[in-house]
Parts: sequence; structure tokens; C-alpha cells
Amino acid sequence: EAGVAQSPRYKIIEKRQSVAFWCNPISGHATLYWYQQILGQGPKLLIQFQNNGVVDDSQLPKDRFSAERLKGVDSTLKIQPAKLEDSAVYLCASSYTGELFFGEGSRLTVL
Amino acid sequence: SQKIEQNSEALNIQEGKTATLTCNYTNYSPAYLQWYRQDPGRGPVFLLLIRENEKEKRKERLKVTFDTTLKQSLFHITASQPADSATYLCALDDYGQNFVFGPGTRLSVLP
Repeated sequence: EAGVAQSPRYKIIEKRQSVAFWCNPISGHATLYWYQQILGQGPKLLIQFQNNGVVDDSQLPKDRFSAERLKGVDSTLKIQPAKLEDSAVYLCASSYTGELFFGEGSRLTVL
Repeated sequence: SQKIEQNSEALNIQEGKTATLTCNYTNYSPAYLQWYRQDPGRGPVFLLLIRENEKEKRKERLKVTFDTTLKQSLFHITASQPADSATYLCALDDYGQNFVFGPGTRLSVLP
């Protein structure tokens, strides 16, 4: 069974630029999560989708972050404009029965 | 707001000993508590899930306890090996929602 796919693995941008991350969850997993993990900290939930509807986006900085999940499968997380404090690993996870399956993450460096 | 604490940032133990990691939480009544392992540069990997009405769960050399009165979970690795060295994250969720991770404990098993 294929795991959660994320791309790109690494991205370096300058502040005020934009960036987009893509996630393809495990087939059949209705729930998809985006987490932000700053070095040395635990993952912080940004947004949770159930199929293509948003369940929780209370911690998503909506002035600069946006996310969508087209047709309840793939998802894209966008940051525009990026700030220095957005430097982190962005993890996508999917779930079917409770436990989360994570991708390898997309490491963002904002200069 | 919900808060999760894990006993220490780092824990060093000798090979063959039992490692015990602690997860404490406040302002939360989770349905499930989960433990994940995260290696450097990788996404977290699910290890064990324990439900609010369960006291203990075992899987091979791993054991998890869950005390909803104390609001605490203990995670034990028996006969620890250098390959067990990683960061261990506890996570709480309420039937797939309000999924919150702790900061993690970095375990080093010394040969």
C-alpha cells in the first residue's frame, strides 16, 4: 500500500514570496490533516479535512495560509506572503480508523 | 486551552533497561491517546492507541498505560535497544477531532 506522498521535500524562499505544498493521502482515507512542526517542537495542527470539507482550521493563520482539498483526495497548502517564522516542516497526514499516517514532510526555509 | 506535557526533552538510558516516558495533559477529555515515533527528518510513525476506558495496552516490547483520573499516560519500552533511539510523541484526540500532539521526548539508548 502506498503511503502519504508530499512534495516538494525541500523549499527555500525569501520572505514575502509564496510557496505551495502538495499532499496525496493514502487511498480511501477520508480525513486529511496539515501540521506545522517547528524544530524541536511537536506537530501543530493547521487544518483538518473530512473528505473535501473543513473540520477544523482554528489554528490556520488565514491572512497568509490557505488550504484546499479538491474532490476529497489531494490537498494543497499555500503560504502567501511567507514570513521568517514560517520556517518549519509541513507534515500531511491521513486517517481512516483513528491512527494517523504521515508523509515525510516538506521542509520550508524562509530567508 | 489544551496543554500536553512530556516528562523531559531528552532521556538517556542504558541498553537493556526499560525506558519510561510520561505524557500529562490538562483541559482535555480525550477519547483516545496515541503514541508516535519520529526519527530525524522523517514523519511520525504510529505505535499504539489506547482508549479512555482502557488501562493498559501492549505490543511486543511496548506498553502504554492511561489514567484518565491523573490525566497521564506512561509509555514503556522494555529491553531497550540503540535502534529505539528516536523522539516519541504522545497525541490526544476526541474521535478524530481536536488532534493535539505533545512536544516529544528524545530518547537515546546507549550501547
